[in-house]
Amino acid sequence: EPEVTQTPSHQVTQMGQEVILRCVPISNHLYFYWYRQILGQKVEFLVSFYNNEISEKSEIFDDQFSVERPDGSNFTLKIRSTKLEDSAMYFCASSVRGRSGNTIYFGEGSWLTVV
Amino acid sequence: SQQGEEDPQALSIQEGENATMNCSYKTSINNLQWYRQNSGRGLVHLILIRSNEREKHSGRLRVTLDTSKKSSSLLITASRAADTASYFCATDAVDNTDKLIFGTGTRLQVFP
Repeated sequence: EPEVTQTPSHQVTQMGQEVILRCVPISNHLYFYWYRQILGQKVEFLVSFYNNEISEKSEIFDDQFSVERPDGSNFTLKIRSTKLEDSAMYFCASSVRGRSGNTIYFGEGSWLTVV
Repeated sequence: SQQGEEDPQALSIQEGENATMNCSYKTSINNLQWYRQNSGRGLVHLILIRSNEREKHSGRLRVTLDTSKKSSSLLITASRAADTASYFCATDAVDNTDKLIFGTGTRLQVFP
């Protein structure tokens, strides 16, 4: 069964460093997402991406975050200057279509620990 | 703002018993999805139910949706130790948004 794959599975980084989390969405999907889950808390929406541009972002997704689809298969989340509070599990997700009624498939997540 | 809340927060049962988890939300939705998360792992999609549907089955899973009460339930029948995980509901609102709003989750422990 097709799946969303994410790398790395775990990354430890120093505060202030840049981090890039990578994702390969399911191949025929057109909508891509990043969510995050701080340990013990809810899963939170960060950003959605369609047709090579951001379609929606949350208030969490500030100027230190950016997303990119550098080629036909990868979808990346960059955190420019990490803070301690960025420590979380980051999930990439994709769906065939956006908006209503579409199953959104998630990857296994990337654990980011900022020290 | 829309918020999903599951109850109970934690549920412990014996193998073979049924587990029922509930989810409530605040705004009108297009659909509701249930996900499972094993500890420290990714979110596995279980089932999607549309706002015009009342009940849906998938294997040992049964999901109901009551839009008048803004609530949903997930029933796992004949539970197994492998069902031990956290279960989340997630909704998307009718306000033309892309995002899913996740609930707080129910931690299910199934004892062999």
